[in-house]
Amino acid sequence: QKEVEQNSGPLSVPEGAIASLNCTYSDRGSQSFFWYRQYSGKSPELIMSIYSNGDKEDGRFTAQLNKASQYVSLLIRDSQPSDSATYLCAVNKGYSSASKIIFGSGTRLSIRP
Amino acid sequence: GAGVSQSPRYKVAKRGQDVALRCDPISGHVSLFWYQQALGQGPEFLTYFQNEAQLDKSGLPSDRFFAERPEGSVSTLKIQRTQQEDSAVYLCASRSPPGTGQETQYFGPGTRLLVL
Repeated sequence: QKEVEQNSGPLSVPEGAIASLNCTYSDRGSQSFFWYRQYSGKSPELIMSIYSNGDKEDGRFTAQLNKASQYVSLLIRDSQPSDSATYLCAVNKGYSSASKIIFGSGTRLSIRP
Repeated sequence: GAGVSQSPRYKVAKRGQDVALRCDPISGHVSLFWYQQALGQGPEFLTYFQNEAQLDKSGLPSDRFFAERPEGSVSTLKIQRTQQEDSAVYLCASRSPPGTGQETQYFGPGTRLLVL
């Protein structure tokens, strides 16, 4: 079992709709959770971080965390063509900022006009 | 500088050649990470530095891989006797210091290594 699992996609969503991306992780001790966006040929950029159970909203993005189910999700409202990218879920395994971050293999999202 | 920089951006090596990849982190970031990203995969952790100390090198795939950060700023990832399976994008990231509110990790543009 991989430590951070995501569906590879591609996930195709019509423009203006809600895109829902999911991620599960195996280490119950994980404390910090991140969503990165990566355009083709570019490096990952952080779009959301979440540390406690519940929802966290930032503009069109909402991250959801359920530690009991070891589940993290990202919702993108009013999807735009510019949202087409690979979305990487990442988990900080430890309790300090010195711990390494483990990435999933990413979900490819395509927003169709 | 404004962000993490890496050089070279592209490197073509013949199998068996040694290569050195450089990372300049964001000024003031004590934490520095190296990742390897194969095509279609997420970044795989290689090693981590806090200042000049290499605190975790559990992700280095073999003893051909070596990383250093002698003065706690610039870091170099060296790959000896390169093999075709070393072909990947090598990403460097630095992390904002603890106590700044968020553990934001900033990535450099990466070095794309192709071993022929």
